[in-house]
Amino acid sequence: DGGITQSPKYLFRKEGQNVTLSCEQNLNHDAMYWYRQDPGQGLRLIYYSQIVNDFQKGDIAEGYSVSREKKESFPLTVTSAQKNPTAFYLCATQGTLTDTQYFGPGTRLTVL
Amino acid sequence: QKEVEQNSGPLSVPEGAIASLNCTYSDRGSQSFFWYRQYSGKSPELIMFIYSNGDKEDGRFTAQLNKASQYVSLLIRDSQPSDSATYLCAVQPNSGYELNFGKGTSLLVTP
Repeated sequence: DGGITQSPKYLFRKEGQNVTLSCEQNLNHDAMYWYRQDPGQGLRLIYYSQIVNDFQKGDIAEGYSVSREKKESFPLTVTSAQKNPTAFYLCATQGTLTDTQYFGPGTRLTVL
Repeated sequence: QKEVEQNSGPLSVPEGAIASLNCTYSDRGSQSFFWYRQYSGKSPELIMFIYSNGDKEDGRFTAQLNKASQYVSLLIRDSQPSDSATYLCAVQPNSGYELNFGKGTSLLVTP
């Protein structure tokens, strides 16, 4: 079963905690992206990675961190420094020969 | 700032009518243009992409691009209640791989 998986689907965090969102893909795509979506808002880019062991900050990277140790995986950590982490987090991938991005099912994070 | 603008809606059309969704962008050098559909609580799914000026048709969907006027539109013919969703316009700038997204237009197709 190919595609992009994100886990967990729902995540609850207490203030002051770090949490890590998982994104895995078996599409053999080189590029991976993390977006954040707030109600009534478009997608805002947090981080992206075009190759293993390399990643770039997006528009709203503060309070987030990522790693890209394997081509298949691009986990996102939401740190306690992120002031308003409650949002819908979307992971996307993009193949080498295409500029089309495909999205995973998303993780909805709520801070209690 | 590379902006992508869409009317938030809601755009309400009767079943069977044509729905017209519009998007304007600020980066004149943009190369690639995408339309995504997003149902409530779900992730975006790709509907169409277009690179060249003119029309591109795929089933009931037609994407239209006018680079001189910096707008891209999506027409949905024979609209169905299942088309009710938020439609996101995304633009890839001339430099860079990332996409810039509009805030989306909410479409409601009434039976």
